[in-house]
Amino acid sequence: DIVVTQSPDSLAVSLGERATINCKSSQSVLYSSNNKNYLAWFQQKLGQPPKLLIYWASTRESGVPDRFIGSGSGTDFTLTISSLQAEDVAVYYCQQYYSTPGTFGQGTKVEIK
Amino acid sequence: EVQLVQSGAEVKKPGESLQISCRTSGYSFASYWIGWVRQLPGKGLEWMGIIYPGDSDTKYSPSFQGQVTISADRSIDTTYLQWNSLKASDTAMYYCARQRSPFDIWGQGTMVTVSS
Repeated sequence: DIVVTQSPDSLAVSLGERATINCKSSQSVLYSSNNKNYLAWFQQKLGQPPKLLIYWASTRESGVPDRFIGSGSGTDFTLTISSLQAEDVAVYYCQQYYSTPGTFGQGTKVEIK
Repeated sequence: EVQLVQSGAEVKKPGESLQISCRTSGYSFASYWIGWVRQLPGKGLEWMGIIYPGDSDTKYSPSFQGQVTISADRSIDTTYLQWNSLKASDTAMYYCARQRSPFDIWGQGTMVTVSS
């Protein structure tokens, strides 16, 4: 199985400031035949199911605000929230869907400082 | 509108069997993989397995292989997650999700509580 590790486990950021979450996979999730990274980011607010934010490492899902930015390739990825809003308080997960099982990172809790 | 609607919360005793469901609408059920994800209380997301309703091809995580069964009924656009003998450690929230690549639409979750 591909192991996916996020850092940090939690972070507190002031409103309007940048939040950065890292995600590392134990092997590359870049599929050479289509040059796509099989890496997604999800947001889970308290009491709700996860919500897809980013797929193919950097493609924003429809309706997701442009302050959510995904980047990276191969084994190292980043989710940046460029200007944290109060409604962004949540746990964020990365997931590789390159191979089954589609492993998730352990999650990063984002709070307001 | 694509929707995945899961069955309601369950309270069961250890050793009992259980089947929970995920009813889909708004898209071609047979054409997309559907997965199940476990979330233990206060913990992260765990990928359990996926099924392709078009031919019932099923893939399980090694962690869940032999512990649960995933199935689908194309006549009612519904997928199921089944246990033959529940354990207290199965107490968790279970989500179904459509895999467009990756999981793009999620059900609301089914809470399963196993307690004597």
